[in-house]
Amino acid sequence: EAGVTQSPTHLIKTRGQQATLRCSPISGHTSVYWYQQALGLGLQFLLWYDEGEERNRGNFPPRFSGRQFPNYSSELNVNALELEDSALYLCASSQEFKTEAFFGQGTRLTVV
Amino acid sequence: GDSVTQMEGPVTLSEEAFLTINCTYTATGYPSLFWYVQYPGEGLQLLLKATKADDKGSNKGFEATYRKETTSFHLEKGSVQVSDSAVYFCALTSGTYKYIFGTGTRLKVLA
Repeated sequence: EAGVTQSPTHLIKTRGQQATLRCSPISGHTSVYWYQQALGLGLQFLLWYDEGEERNRGNFPPRFSGRQFPNYSSELNVNALELEDSALYLCASSQEFKTEAFFGQGTRLTVV
Repeated sequence: GDSVTQMEGPVTLSEEAFLTINCTYTATGYPSLFWYVQYPGEGLQLLLKATKADDKGSNKGFEATYRKETTSFHLEKGSVQVSDSAVYFCALTSGTYKYIFGTGTRLKVLA
């Protein structure tokens, strides 16, 4: 069974541009979570989607947004990129709330 | 609010040494507790979990017991290997719609 897949693996953007990151959850999982992991730091919660709805949002500015599609895949959009947005963005999925989450390999976003 | 506190790293041990990584939590209700491991350049992998008080999660020689009275979920392994070198994250889910992670503890095992 395929795990959580994220694309692209690496992404290089210029300050002020927009980035779109994609995530496909494990088959049968309806919840998708996004985290930001800056170099040397822990995971910062970004967004949680379940059944197509945004259930919770972390302390990030509105230029971080996303959505979940009817097939439960998700995308994260970051507008007006800033240098400090450079980080590893991790997506995870779970079957339902409070069950274990499984992570993808991440998208390394570099803003220059 | 809900939170997870992990011991600061890095933790450096010799091969075959005993490992303890402390984790305490604050949560409303009855959280589920998890340990994840992140190897260099990779995403997080679930190591073990416990969903109610006194549950013991175990995997690959690692163990952790859900202690409600001390709000703790310490990770232990009797004999570490060089291949265990990684960053370990303690996490919980509770009444809020998110997983809350600790800051991570880097473990380095020397041959």
